[in-house]
Amino acid sequence: DVKVTQSSRYLVKRTGEKVFLECVQDMDHENMFWYRQDPGLGLRLIYFSYDVKMKEKGDIPEGYSVSREKKERFSLILESASTNQTSMYLCASSLRADYGYTFGSGTRLTVV
Amino acid sequence: GENVEQHPSTLSVQEGDSAVIKCTYSDSASNYFPWYKQELGKRPQLIIDIRSNVGEKKDQRIAVTLNKTAKHFSLHITETQPEDSAVYFCAASDAGGTSYGKLTFGQGTILTVHP
Repeated sequence: DVKVTQSSRYLVKRTGEKVFLECVQDMDHENMFWYRQDPGLGLRLIYFSYDVKMKEKGDIPEGYSVSREKKERFSLILESASTNQTSMYLCASSLRADYGYTFGSGTRLTVV
Repeated sequence: GENVEQHPSTLSVQEGDSAVIKCTYSDSASNYFPWYKQELGKRPQLIIDIRSNVGEKKDQRIAVTLNKTAKHFSLHITETQPEDSAVYFCAASDAGGTSYGKLTFGQGTILTVHP
């Protein structure tokens, strides 16, 4: 059973802080994704990665960056946290393009 | 890019009734359509998916239909039970090309099944 693990379930950060959200998957999946989930807006893609050191912007990349130094780990970075980045962040991985995602448990980030 | 619209946003049914959630997509290149169920406080989980080479797929009480011409697909749940209560998301992707299977999600439907 594929596991996608997000390091923190809840985080509270101050405005202007640099924030790191970590995601690790254990099934050698090529593709990894970061979404944010907000009520009424569904899941919106921030960034994704299809290989080590490869990344592409999603629909809402502004204010975020990512890092994928190893195949199993995909990190989301908030360069300077702002209150409008308060949200649920979901990491996901997939074996290949026509397979569904396996999601992590999510990190609920509050920026104060 | 792809745009997925999902309706209704909320759906309330009595136990034993059927529930139908509908989605439309904009990109004719999309060819993979999964559905996810998210229970309160939990991660979204894949419940069924359909690829563009088929028109319908069933798995016990759940079925999905796809109309490529009209660019819409639907989730059908029969004989609903209280444990079906959750948020349901549809999604679409172009599984070929350079999209790497990135999914575009609908806004979600909150399904409540009353005992």
